[in-house]
Amino acid sequence: IVMTQSPLSLPVTPGEPASISCRSSQSLLHSNGFNYLDWYLQRPGQSPQVLIFMGSDRASGVPDRFSGSGSGTDFTLKISRVEAEDVGVYYCMQSLQTPTTFGQGTKLEIK
Amino acid sequence: EVQLVESGGVVVQPGESLRLSCAASGFTFEYFAMHWVRQAPGKGLEWVSLISWDAAYTYYADSVKGRFTISKDISKNSLYLQMDSLRPEDTALYYCAKAGEVGYSFGNLDSWGQGTLVTVSS
Repeated sequence: IVMTQSPLSLPVTPGEPASISCRSSQSLLHSNGFNYLDWYLQRPGQSPQVLIFMGSDRASGVPDRFSGSGSGTDFTLKISRVEAEDVGVYYCMQSLQTPTTFGQGTKLEIK
Repeated sequence: EVQLVESGGVVVQPGESLRLSCAASGFTFEYFAMHWVRQAPGKGLEWVSLISWDAAYTYYADSVKGRFTISKDISKNSLYLQMDSLRPEDTALYYCAKAGEVGYSFGNLDSWGQGTLVTVSS
């Protein structure tokens, strides 16, 4: 399954919202009703961390300004108000089928 | 607290072999699927391999299939990646990561190690 993110670069003013799109070449909706789509953030010099799993479930400790939505082949990660600590590269990842695949990454930077 | 600590990364020549290790602590290792994910210098994340909680199933990226072997030792709380016939394009930081749910759930990689660097160069 090919994962395609857009945009690849995202300059954002602090306090403004941001949105990242992830599209999959096949539906990620399982017969159990769950979408097998996660979002990860890799801050500069750090290991990735999960933000959202199953398309829309916020991981433990993730601020509520982060939200995930979508189903099937189209997904979106939204940040309601960007903060300086949100800088990094965001990846979507599908785990419905092996091989597991990541998107190319979206680099968020502060204007 | 969950901890994953990778080791074994070194500089090797093309065609050589290497085994990476990932020491796990802070959770019941035998109940969770585990992944290896790599990141070439300046590049994005690339999934490498996955082993199910019971080691009954293993999966590989096409780029490493037939050359890499994933395994786990629950008595040592450790995950391994045996890497044979290494190529320059295998040069990357290799992370181990834990699946977030018990059983046959492979997503939600909720814990990652700090990575171990493998360099393949003549």
